[in-house]
Amino acid sequence: AQSVTQLGSHVSVSEGALVLLRCNYSSSVPPYLFWYVQYPNQGLQLLLKYTSAATLVKGINGFEAEFKKSETSFHLTKPSAHMSDAAEYFCAVSSSGGYQKVTFGTGTKLQVIP
Amino acid sequence: GAVVSQHPSRVICKSGTSVKIECRSLDFQATTMFWYRQFPKQSLMLMATSNEGSKATYEQGVEKDKFLINHASLTLSTLTVTSAHPEDSSFYICSAPNDGTGPGANVLTFGAGSRLTVL
Repeated sequence: AQSVTQLGSHVSVSEGALVLLRCNYSSSVPPYLFWYVQYPNQGLQLLLKYTSAATLVKGINGFEAEFKKSETSFHLTKPSAHMSDAAEYFCAVSSSGGYQKVTFGTGTKLQVIP
Repeated sequence: GAVVSQHPSRVICKSGTSVKIECRSLDFQATTMFWYRQFPKQSLMLMATSNEGSKATYEQGVEKDKFLINHASLTLSTLTVTSAHPEDSSFYICSAPNDGTGPGANVLTFGAGSRLTVL
């Protein structure tokens, strides 16, 4: 069984401030982990993925995430928020491969305040 | 990069009618495609896995006769919402895995979604 918990359905940050979106996972086998971003009325776009290589994963748009097995976490960060980062972010886990049976978290809506 | 085209992006229909949503992989072949439903302010719920050349695999609780899935070719999967009712109004999203190599391999590429409103 696998699951994902995203802490905080809404996060607000000031423009230029650090972005931290939290994700904890549960998986019976070494997981594949993903962060996706969704803009209003659009599909999901992959930000980054962890597939058992480097624990610090760099993605697009300046985002990165660190896999911490001891904490079963995969938090998403960005040093300096930009207005265009305002969107909904989904953490996802797959235990059986890169895309099979992906389980998504409930999402965190990021608001960037000017 | 891999692109999945989903059409229509928005559709409004009357109760009792059927609506077809198409999902195409534009620059790669997809023997498998996934269909999700997203309720407002909620996550994506996997509805079914579309398999080229065979029957779709539905998740528990999803009505096969309500949501007809056809995977006609290696680049096209369709979802037909039959006899639609207001409770079927939702955002439907398809995705396809990219089985190629490189940074985009083994990840899902999503369509832009289709917002269905049933009056």
